[in-house]
Amino acid sequence: SQKIEQNSEALNIQEGKTATLTCNYTNYSPAYLQWYRQDPGRGPVFLLLIRENEKEKRKERLKVTFDTTLKQSLFHITASQPADSATYLCALYNFNKFYFGSGTKLNVKP
Amino acid sequence: DTEVTQTPKHLVMGMTNKKSLKCEQHMGHRAMYWYKQKAKKPPELMFVYSYEKLSINESVPSRFSPECPNSSLLNLHLHALQPEDSALYLCASSRDKGLAGGSGELFFGEGSRLTVL
Repeated sequence: SQKIEQNSEALNIQEGKTATLTCNYTNYSPAYLQWYRQDPGRGPVFLLLIRENEKEKRKERLKVTFDTTLKQSLFHITASQPADSATYLCALYNFNKFYFGSGTKLNVKP
Repeated sequence: DTEVTQTPKHLVMGMTNKKSLKCEQHMGHRAMYWYKQKAKKPPELMFVYSYEKLSINESVPSRFSPECPNSSLLNLHLHALQPEDSALYLCASSRDKGLAGGSGELFFGEGSRLTVL
């Protein structure tokens, strides 16, 4: 089965800096990979999708990269704000199923 | 309307009770999902319905019984649960399975927080 690793330690950064979160996977390269934001006690909210043949995707202050050789996706938030504080989950799609990582908690300090 | 609505938000039940969780979406989505999430853990897939038919059961114990009465509704019937079943139960929907028809985005509800005593 697919194993997905995200940094389990919280990432603490200063407002205005760029946050970089990592998602590593083993075994099968997914058809595509998504990033979600989850606030405490709430359901995840979709942010970005990147396909296996795409290297990079951007949306406003968000950027996702996908390296199938390294089996890794990086998620960047530029000009971070305290409102960006949340847990960020990556999700991989294989064999008609989504596999989620356990998420990385981002704390943006004013 | 881009919402997935789950009820109840909180549920406390004993191990001998029978209860149900409900999920509703009016986005015309044809795939619906149940996920279970424990604290600081990723959402774990339980069931997938596609076009109102059960297409994936992730070897979930029979004390959890899903039902899809129509394309907008998804239920999860609970019976004889164990304390370790206490978790946040998330319902999600997508336009179709995979990337068919769109970004494959999963729309999640707010979840039902279940406590089994």
